[in-house]
Amino acid sequence: AQSVTQLGSHVSVSEGALVLLRCNYSSSVPPYLFWYVQYPNQGLQLLLKYTTGATLVKGINGFEAEFKKSETSFHLTKPSAHMSDAAEYFCAVSPNVNSGGSNYKLTFGKGTLLTVNP
Amino acid sequence: KAGVTQTPRYLIKTRGQQVTLSCSPISGHRSVSWYQQTPGQGLQFLFEYFSETQRNKGNFPGRFSGRQFSNSRSEMNVSTLELGDSALYLCASSFRDSPTYEQYFGPGTRLTVT
Repeated sequence: AQSVTQLGSHVSVSEGALVLLRCNYSSSVPPYLFWYVQYPNQGLQLLLKYTTGATLVKGINGFEAEFKKSETSFHLTKPSAHMSDAAEYFCAVSPNVNSGGSNYKLTFGKGTLLTVNP
Repeated sequence: KAGVTQTPRYLIKTRGQQVTLSCSPISGHRSVSWYQQTPGQGLQFLFEYFSETQRNKGNFPGRFSGRQFSNSRSEMNVSTLELGDSALYLCASSFRDSPTYEQYFGPGTRLTVT
């Protein structure tokens, strides 16, 4: 079974500082990997995804993530935090269909609440 | 293009009652998934429908059920409500049944069971 661990349920940074949100996964084969953001009283919005190819993935709003197979990690970064980045961030995985997995569900981490201080 | 819509947005029910939540996917999307979000358990997969067929189901009791109509709209039903069913229920739609296609989430229905 797949699982996702997000280290740190709450991360606080100053405006303009580096944002680093950690995600590790457990899977017998490398899954597909996603980062979602959730603003208060809203649904989830996809920031970026990794399926195949280049391991450094760029997403919306200046975020990027790097897939590291040897570390089973997919950490999310942004060079300079903005007040509007304050939200909850979720890492998620889904089975890799090329490895025989079923693609019909996302398994989410517990989420990391990002606060940005002025 | 309109996003995923969910109705109602807020709902208050009493223990023992049943509830039906509705989800309208983005036009052209045929895959609809449902998730339950609670502070304690986080986001958990309920089930997924594609072309009116349930293709995968999460680890929830049989009180949770769903269906999808020919126009891809989906409903989920929870019978004999329990206090622990209080949660935000999120619906997501996707163009195709592939993980490489983005799942678009609706704003959710917040269910409170008293």
